[in-house]
Amino acid sequence: DVKVTQSSRYLVKRTGEKVFLECVQDMDHENMFWYRQDPGLGLRLIYFSYDVKMKEKGDIPEGYSVSREKKERFSLILESASTNQTSMYLCASIPSGGGIETQYFGPGTRLLVL
Amino acid sequence: AQSVAQPEDQVNVAEGNPLTVKCTYSVSGNPYLFWYVQYPNRGLQFLLKYITGDNLVKGSYGFEAEFNKSQTSFHLKKPSALVSDSALYFCAVRDSGNTPLVFGKGTRLSVIA
Repeated sequence: DVKVTQSSRYLVKRTGEKVFLECVQDMDHENMFWYRQDPGLGLRLIYFSYDVKMKEKGDIPEGYSVSREKKERFSLILESASTNQTSMYLCASIPSGGGIETQYFGPGTRLLVL
Repeated sequence: AQSVAQPEDQVNVAEGNPLTVKCTYSVSGNPYLFWYVQYPNRGLQFLLKYITGDNLVKGSYGFEAEFNKSQTSFHLKKPSALVSDSALYFCAVRDSGNTPLVFGKGTRLSVIA
C-alpha cells in the first residue's frame, strides 16, 4: 500500500514563526502536492512538484514556499506564520502515470497560529 | 480550466435508505473523475474513480458512482446507507497528465439511525 506520512498531526505556532511541514511518501512517486483545507472552501492547491528540485505554484502560493531535495520528501514552509494560515494541511502524491493515477493523501497536519 | 461543483453542503439520510451525493464537473478534454471520503481529523481516503469504459463505477465500502457525459455529472451513490458512512465527501477531476486534482468544496453526509 502507498503510504504518505506527515511529520505532525497537530501544531501550535506563534505569529511570525517559521514553520516547517514535512511530508514523506514511500512509493517512489514523482509527483507531490500540498493542499490546505478550510471549511466551506474545500481543498486548495498551494504548491506541487514533479521531480526533485522542481516546484510549481498552485492556486494560493502566497505566504508559502516549498522544498524538494529528495524524491520522497516534500516540505512546506511558512516563512512567517500568520493567523490566516491556521488550517488543515494535506500532502499527496502520485506516480507519473498520467491522469488515471490515484492521488494518495497523508493524514493531514492541523496548524493553529496564535 | 477544470472545475468541480458539489451543489449540496449537507445531505441527510436515514439509515438503510439509498443515498446520493451530487457532483458536476467542467473540463476541456476527457475527464478523470474521483471520489474521496474524509472522516474527522483524518486525511482523504480514495473511494473510486472513473477513467474510461463502463459508466457505473464500483468502489470501496459499497459505494458506486455513475458517470454521465451529457450532464457532466458523476454522482456518488449507495443503495443502503450506514451510520458509519457519515463523513465529508469530495469529488475531484483532472483532464490529463499528472496535473493536480481539482476538488469540489465537499458535501457533509449525515446518516441518521
